[in-house]
Amino acid sequence: NAGVTQTPKFRILKIGQSMTLQCTQDMNHNYMYWYRQDPGMGLKLIYYSVGAGITDKGEVPNGYNVSRSTTEDFPLRLELAAPSQTSVYFCASSSTGEKLFFGSGTQLSVL
Amino acid sequence: RKEVEQDPGPFNVPEGATVAFNCTYSNSASQSFFWYRQDCRKEPKLLMSVYSSGNEDGRFTAQLNRASQYISLLIRDSKLSDSATYLCVVTPYGQNFVFGPGTRLSVLP
Repeated sequence: NAGVTQTPKFRILKIGQSMTLQCTQDMNHNYMYWYRQDPGMGLKLIYYSVGAGITDKGEVPNGYNVSRSTTEDFPLRLELAAPSQTSVYFCASSSTGEKLFFGSGTQLSVL
Repeated sequence: RKEVEQDPGPFNVPEGATVAFNCTYSNSASQSFFWYRQDCRKEPKLLMSVYSSGNEDGRFTAQLNRASQYISLLIRDSKLSDSATYLCVVTPYGQNFVFGPGTRLSVLP
């Protein structure tokens, strides 16, 4: 059972570069989320989606974009990377809102 | 005021000890409450949901006080393997999960 798959696991970007973090789930969940976690801090919601074609901003959306063209995929796009975006990124999905299933995370450094 | 606040920690306790974590939330309309566990550099995993009547899962007991907007987690007979960060999670609206900053627990031999 794959669950939630995130790629890549690690990435180093230079300031101003762009990249896409991939997230795929095979559980047919309607709800998908992107969180970031800075060292010693809790998770902060970047964007979320309640179904294909529907996305909305979370607490910290600036500098990011998302799309949800299918139920399975919820990629997160970073445009013009900045050092403040150095963080661990987690993708998660949920069917009923009762339990979040997380991917294993992406450690991103912007230098 | 932050939406979800937790004991700052860290908590360092000997094996076999009982330890309690506290969490408060600001939105009185919050519907669902959870405790997640996060090991170092790993993804969070659901430890247990928290119900109004309180609930127990082995050595873990969770309590909810809606009037005080307060959630607690009690761990009895601590094991070395309980060492982790414990995250209080609340759904203040819709299907959004809001995480507290976490409380780190170290169980010492």
